[in-house]
Amino acid sequence: DSGVTQTPKHLITATGQRVTLRCSPRSGDLSVYWYQQSLDQGLQFLIQYYNGEERAKGNILERFSAQQFPDLHSELNLSSLELGDSALYFCASSVPLGAGANVLTFGAGSRLTVL
Amino acid sequence: GQQLNQSPQSMFIQEGEDVSMNCTSSSIFNTWLWYKQDPGEGPVLLIALYKAGELTSNGRLTAQFGITRKDSFLNISASIPSDVGIYFCAGQSPDTGNQFYFGTGTSLTVIP
Repeated sequence: DSGVTQTPKHLITATGQRVTLRCSPRSGDLSVYWYQQSLDQGLQFLIQYYNGEERAKGNILERFSAQQFPDLHSELNLSSLELGDSALYFCASSVPLGAGANVLTFGAGSRLTVL
Repeated sequence: GQQLNQSPQSMFIQEGEDVSMNCTSSSIFNTWLWYKQDPGEGPVLLIALYKAGELTSNGRLTAQFGITRKDSFLNISASIPSDVGIYFCAGQSPDTGNQFYFGTGTSLTVIP
């Protein structure tokens, strides 16, 4: 158990629908990152939050949005879903170890299937 | 944006053989991380490197932070079947607010 909790583990939905993925970071971690991993692909960075504020944006579609709440958990909202959105979505959290050095700890992922 | 080239893309080796994979970047990094991902699971951190030239071991795994700060390698000695998986490098760039960038992964298959 990495300490990063993601729910749901599996989700099957239809095109055009909206889903919310949830992430609880490791205790003490202030940063939350979201990544998308399509079949046999690498990790695509979507967005990062630090202590409730958006810190960096990657290749996140306009149909996707995220937020980090005061208790530091984060949600990734995916709307107007398309078949191509089917993927594993990972949350990772980090806390600075000093001098900008970080370690990313990943959750087990949420597998989204859009039919 | 930052480019991370990871090679090889895939490897098929016999059990007991040593493995080497590497990552190179287009700019300097201040952190290199190596992860292993099993199918359907999240990446798990294997080794973290924070200083140029640093050589760190974790059991049969050894990784080095390149002197130029633009590359890193991971070696696995005496491979075993449970080493099967996808290995990712990740680097943290000071030029982009310490953002993380991931390599495309090396898929390792160990033949018993």
